[in-house]
Amino acid sequence: GEDVEQSLFLSVREGDSSVINCTYTDSSSTYLYWYKQEPGAGLQLLTYIFSNMDMKQDQRLTVLLNKKDKHLSLRIADTQTGDSAIYFCAVLTGGGNKLTFGTGTQLKVEL
Amino acid sequence: GAGVSQTPSNKVTEKGKYVELRCDPISGHTALYWYRQSLGQGPEFLIYFQGTGAADDSGLPNDRFFAVRPEGSVSTLKIQRTERGDSAVYLCASSSGQGMEHEQYFGPGTRLTVT
Repeated sequence: GEDVEQSLFLSVREGDSSVINCTYTDSSSTYLYWYKQEPGAGLQLLTYIFSNMDMKQDQRLTVLLNKKDKHLSLRIADTQTGDSAIYFCAVLTGGGNKLTFGTGTQLKVEL
Repeated sequence: GAGVSQTPSNKVTEKGKYVELRCDPISGHTALYWYRQSLGQGPEFLIYFQGTGAADDSGLPNDRFFAVRPEGSVSTLKIQRTERGDSAVYLCASSSGQGMEHEQYFGPGTRLTVT
């Protein structure tokens, strides 16, 4: 089945850019997503990219997709303390119905 | 409310007992999904409903787990003879069937603890 990998931790200073990386295995994936999870809260859909695109920008968020290397990244510009959370990469699989998630990257923003 | 709601928010039960977890999707969303998130892991798919029928139940771990959606709206996840390994956060998500059906919106989850 699909396998999605992420690094576990990232620490940045407030105001810097954060880059969270993800790799996946299923080349037939159609949509790829980034979700944010804050302590005790549910998953918040941040952004997504369709597989025929290589970049998508949404305010402070930039998603880059390299289909050849099966690599997805999320860049957060001007990172704030409120961005501290766990970020999950997810890939739409199973004929377009189910999400396969990575293990999540914990982002810590320091003053 | 505007979002997906789940009840209860927390459930503690003894090993061997039966539990039911409820999900209220976003109004009008035809697709509903259940996921399970263990500590330190990403959510794992359990089952997907399109309307009243389970279109994909390939993620249910065994026959102790069952889910229904009798009227195509509210869904109940049922776990029989609970085991300590069932302890996790159970997440429900819904999506629209109208063009943006790939966007899944999640509820806050039910934290199940089996003692």
